[in-house]
Amino acid sequence: DIQMTQSPSTLSASVGDRVTITCRASQSISSWLAWYQQRPGKAPKLLIYKASTLESGVPSRFSGSGSGTEFTLTISSLQPDDFATYYCQQNNYYPYTFGQGTKLEIK
Amino acid sequence: EVQLVESGGGLVQPGGSQRLSCAASGFTFSSSWMTWVRQAPGKGLEWVANIKEDGSEIHYVDSVKGRFTISRDNAKSSLYLQMISLRAEDTAVYYCASLHRSGHMYGWGQGTLVTVSS
Repeated sequence: DIQMTQSPSTLSASVGDRVTITCRASQSISSWLAWYQQRPGKAPKLLIYKASTLESGVPSRFSGSGSGTEFTLTISSLQPDDFATYYCQQNNYYPYTFGQGTKLEIK
Repeated sequence: EVQLVESGGGLVQPGGSQRLSCAASGFTFSSSWMTWVRQAPGKGLEWVANIKEDGSEIHYVDSVKGRFTISRDNAKSSLYLQMISLRAEDTAVYYCASLHRSGHMYGWGQGTLVTVSS
């Protein structure tokens, strides 16, 4: 199975900060990576797919990059709504696998 | 807008069975792969199963193979997950999601909680 490792597990930041979350795959997954946001008690929400394509309706402050085994999610200027948990997911191989999550907290 | 509504969760004893349903609207259900994803309390997301538009292709995570069955009824725009031989480690919120052919989950239900406990 492909292992997805996110770093950091927890990130403390302030409104207006630029933050980056990293996701590493245990083997190459080309660009078959998605990013999701999950607020407490809510369902996940798709942000980015194919590593860098912004889902319709998602603010442009979110961006994704990478290919192969290393990927990043960047939020250019944190807004209050952005404090949530973020997950990466590979969909190149079965079983699909998620990273363990990165909790973005208010500093 | 994609709308997915899960039902069928609840408390079940170890070794028991449960059937989850997911009612879909707002998109062409019969043209979309579908998936189940679960989340144990306080834990991360775990993919469970996928099913192709016409049900002709199905995939499962190893931990549920032989115990869970994903199915769909395109006439009813509904997705199902039949679970048998349930274990404590199956306790989770189960989400159904619409799946793009490239594998990303673009629409999610609100989830239904399955608790396996005596």
